[in-house]
Amino acid sequence: GNSVTQMEGPVTLSEEAFLTINCTYTATGYPSLFWYVQYPGEGLQLLLKATKADDKGSNKGFEATYRKETTSFHLEKGSVQVSDSAVYFCALNSGGSNYKLTFGKGTLLTVNP
Amino acid sequence: GAGVSQSPSNKVTEKGKDVELRCDPISGHTALYWYRQSLGQGLEFLIYFQGNSAPDKSGLPSDRFSAERTGGSVSTLTIQRTQQEDSAVYLCASRQNGASGRATPIQYFGAGTRLSVL
Repeated sequence: GNSVTQMEGPVTLSEEAFLTINCTYTATGYPSLFWYVQYPGEGLQLLLKATKADDKGSNKGFEATYRKETTSFHLEKGSVQVSDSAVYFCALNSGGSNYKLTFGKGTLLTVNP
Repeated sequence: GAGVSQSPSNKVTEKGKDVELRCDPISGHTALYWYRQSLGQGLEFLIYFQGNSAPDKSGLPSDRFSAERTGGSVSTLTIQRTQQEDSAVYLCASRQNGASGRATPIQYFGAGTRLSVL
């Protein structure tokens, strides 16, 4: 079956530090890959996505590249801000008729000023 | 509304009681999902509705859980005889189909209902 493994948190960084959150997946077929973010007290929001190999998703300074050869979709940001403090979820859907999402367990990021 | 709306935002109940959680999807979205977010288990798929098709119930953890979607819009998730392990945040998401029947695989989530079973 499908599965997503992302690095365990929590991750604590100082403002302007470089961020990497690792994500690897197992899936049949050709999944679409996503990063969702959950800010304190809010629902999940789509941060970025990639739908085929070698695609790079980007948004708000975050980037992730769909690497089929390593089955990875690592999230990166060059300079984090306090406002980036949130829980980050890597997810995939493998298409089919329902597009249901399979999520990683989430990584809590705290950015200190 | 502009986004997916869920109610109540918080629900505290006693073990053994039934609860109903409500989801209002984004207007025009034909697909609706329920997920559960719990400590140690992360986010798990529960059930999926698409138009008038039979729902995909493959993620429901037990027969105490059921859901319906009336008129292709509002959905209610019902948990009967609640147990402490049902304590979690229940998230609803909706998705529209793209033009020419091609699905756009982006799900939009509500803020969730936090269920606490005492």
